[in-house]
Amino acid sequence: KAGVTQTPRYLIKTRGQQVTLSCSPISGHRSVSWYQQTPGQGLQFLFEYFSETQRNKGNFPGRFSGRQFSNSRSEMNVSTLELGDSALYLCASSEGQVLFEQYFGPGTRLTVT
Amino acid sequence: DAKTTQPTSMDCAEGRAANLPCNHSTISGNEYVYWYRQIHSQGPQYIIHGLKNNETNEMASLIITEDRKSSTLILPHATLRDTAVYYCIVRGTSGGSYIPTFGRGTSLIVHP
Repeated sequence: KAGVTQTPRYLIKTRGQQVTLSCSPISGHRSVSWYQQTPGQGLQFLFEYFSETQRNKGNFPGRFSGRQFSNSRSEMNVSTLELGDSALYLCASSEGQVLFEQYFGPGTRLTVT
Repeated sequence: DAKTTQPTSMDCAEGRAANLPCNHSTISGNEYVYWYRQIHSQGPQYIIHGLKNNETNEMASLIITEDRKSSTLILPHATLRDTAVYYCIVRGTSGGSYIPTFGRGTSLIVHP
């Protein structure tokens, strides 16, 4: 089985721009979660989608949004980028609920200048 | 918010057991404890989870105290490849959502 894939792997954006990150889960997995990892805050949960519905959302501003498609692929979008949004964005998929045997992708490294 | 407390760092000799403790005193009665690890520059990797009873799989064992306020992850025969940051995670309610809190984790260094 192919693992979780994330595109792009690296991205450089300018303050004020927006960005869209993509995640393809493991085949058959219907739950996709997104996380932000920074040296200062560590790993933080962004949101979780299951069968195209957002089930849970972390404590992030409305600039962070996501969606899931009928094939379980997911995208997250960050609008009006700030320097503090520079981070590794990780996507994880599982068959059921968040954290239950989740498989993580390699992440997208976003740098905001 | 459900929170976890772990030692910042630990070390272990190769071939010996590594015992990583975690305090989760605010865990709710029906919430699981999850353990993941992250090797440098990679995404986290699932290890094990448990509710009340002790659990064992091919990677590790999880011992949960009877009051469920703490747990210990045991790597029975640590190898150099087990050097990683280990996260003990629980979920809790926040702003109407049910979200996981990772904490800072324990940096485990396995030395020869």
